[in-house]
Amino acid sequence: GQQLNQSPQSMFIQEGEDVSMNCTSSSIFNTWLWYKQDPGEGPVLLIALYKAGELTSNGRLTAQFGITRKDSFLNISASIPSDVGIYFCAGRKVGGSQGNLIFGKGTKLSVKP
Amino acid sequence: SQTIHQWPATLVQPVGSPLSLECTVEGTSNPNLYWYRQAAGRGLQLLFYSVGIGQISSEVPQNLSASRPQDRQFILSSKKLLLSDSGFYLCAWSFTGGGQPQHFGDGTRLSIL
Repeated sequence: GQQLNQSPQSMFIQEGEDVSMNCTSSSIFNTWLWYKQDPGEGPVLLIALYKAGELTSNGRLTAQFGITRKDSFLNISASIPSDVGIYFCAGRKVGGSQGNLIFGKGTKLSVKP
Repeated sequence: SQTIHQWPATLVQPVGSPLSLECTVEGTSNPNLYWYRQAAGRGLQLLFYSVGIGQISSEVPQNLSASRPQDRQFILSSKKLLLSDSGFYLCAWSFTGGGQPQHFGDGTRLSIL
């Protein structure tokens, strides 16, 4: 199936550092979602974006819907050990079906205490 | 508030045996329901989705089937499991309408021996 290009694939950072990750596509999207998955659990929704240029925060997390509608960014400020996990972007293409969320392959975040 | 329950959490089955995984949603009516498989490579693959009782859309040809006997119940089944059916299976729900984010259960780890 289709995949979004999510980068980086993995990150090792020091506690307290800021983190940035992004997803890009060649198609135009009308919805961007960011999820976090802990080991052995299901993904949990972090932020949902619905308009080009939209910037939304959830605590130390900030995500943006790219103005071209083909990309999205997630930033984590002042990382802490519990930020460890896999972060997924997901999007719905313009004209996509209700069931058609396209997922990135994830960014695995590891934090050194 | 809405909750989603998936069971069992883990399952070990021999090749050729049948499968039944169950998912239920509480706190909402007429949700969209989804089954995903997550392989070791971390990506999520949509298997089935349903917009109502008895309505199932299959996204990929496979050895599995899905049913929705009640509004908030979604079942993933197989008559004869293959080794390649091993993986992490996730159920999700969303409100109806375009652009609604999906919310995931905690998943079932299925191992085929």
